[in-house]
Amino acid sequence: EVQLVESGGGLVQPGGSLRLSCAASGFTFSAYWMSWVRQAPGKGLEWVANIKHDGSEKYYVDSVRGRFTISRDNAKDSLFLQMNSLRAEDTAVYYCASEYSYYLDVWGKGTTVTVSS
Amino acid sequence: QSVLTQPPSVSGAPGQRVTISCTGSSSNIGAGYDVHWYQQLPGTAPKLLIFRNSNRPSGVPDRFSGSKSGTSASLAITGLQAEDEADYYCQSYDSSLSGSVFGGGTKLTVL
Repeated sequence: EVQLVESGGGLVQPGGSLRLSCAASGFTFSAYWMSWVRQAPGKGLEWVANIKHDGSEKYYVDSVRGRFTISRDNAKDSLFLQMNSLRAEDTAVYYCASEYSYYLDVWGKGTTVTVSS
Repeated sequence: QSVLTQPPSVSGAPGQRVTISCTGSSSNIGAGYDVHWYQQLPGTAPKLLIFRNSNRPSGVPDRFSGSKSGTSASLAITGLQAEDEADYYCQSYDSSLSGSVFGGGTKLTVL
């Protein structure tokens, strides 16, 4: 069964850091681009970042560029999102998703990040 | 303000047909990039509904269909059922932003 499981969310103070992980199974992780997408409470979906299958290319939405870093470990079928200098507006459910030809075909269930003092 | 524009809400009675529009610009849909659609049932993660404008993944009923023309795309749902009540999002690639963009989402209410 194809599966993505996110972890690492939690409550963090403004200015703090958090590292999200996404464990993949059931497919050849190293062959896929991967993305992070977030959804603020009561709001729509926002694409955050993506990474090429070999990690050689990474792209970010303007609002997180310079603060967030996407990475992957193909040996461990894992995707990561290092989030620094967190702000209240980063509060959201964060989903990881496998990407094929620009569409997101498999999604995890998400992990919740709350930035608050 | 989302890069792709969707109506906030649509509604229809069981059995009826509804459409959801998605309007972009010359740097995304109008540039020839494909449009994809996702369904998000209440309290769950999004699920791919339509890919590459008009293709359905395995398991998606043929009541759902997509089309694209110019700088816009549409999702049509025929034979509305109660379980179709959900939020629907369009998504494409934007060359000026070098990343994916989503519509603001449309809440479908089955009356």
